[in-house]
Amino acid sequence: NAGVTQTPKFRILKIGQSMTLQCTQDMNHNYMYWYRQDPGMGLKLIYYSVGAGITDKGEVPNGYNVSRSTTEDFPLRLELAAPSQTSVYFCASSYGDRGLDEQFFGPGTRLTVL
Amino acid sequence: KNQVEQSPQSLIILEGKNCTLQCNYTVSPFSNLRWYKQDTGRGPVSLTIMTFSENTKSNGRYTATLDADTKQSSLHITASQLSDSASYICVVSEGNKLVFGAGTILRVKS
Repeated sequence: NAGVTQTPKFRILKIGQSMTLQCTQDMNHNYMYWYRQDPGMGLKLIYYSVGAGITDKGEVPNGYNVSRSTTEDFPLRLELAAPSQTSVYFCASSYGDRGLDEQFFGPGTRLTVL
Repeated sequence: KNQVEQSPQSLIILEGKNCTLQCNYTVSPFSNLRWYKQDTGRGPVSLTIMTFSENTKSNGRYTATLDADTKQSSLHITASQLSDSASYICVVSEGNKLVFGAGTILRVKS
């Protein structure tokens, strides 16, 4: 099992550009999540999904969109990139609810917006 | 506001020595507390998960303790190795919400 995979590993965007961060898991987990990690801060939840076709906002959803068409994939879309979106983005998954079950994290995508 | 505070922010120890990392939280109600290890450039990896009824949990050289009355947890690392150099993150579950600490950066020197 590859676990949770993310692409790309690094990306530099110009202000106003758009991009999609890809996330795939092969553990047949129902729940998937997107977090951002800023220096000196704890991870913040952007969006999450409890199953294919179902998504919901987390703590910091502004400027992002997600979709969940399959159990395996959970892409994160950035529209009109802003410098405030410079961060490291982690995708995670869990079999059950994140409050109860262990989360498995991907390796992260480091995004810089200039 | 529910918070998770970790101390120290960073720590340098010699290989072979023990160390203890602290986590204080104000999250309520509390479901469980987790410790994660995050290597540089990688995603967090779970070390332990403890419910409010558990006082201690071990994973190899890592031992986590929990005092739900004082809302404190600690992660003790025994006989440290160079590979223990990482950020250690305390996470507290409030129902289906997770509150992440900022982490303690540990560097083990030879």
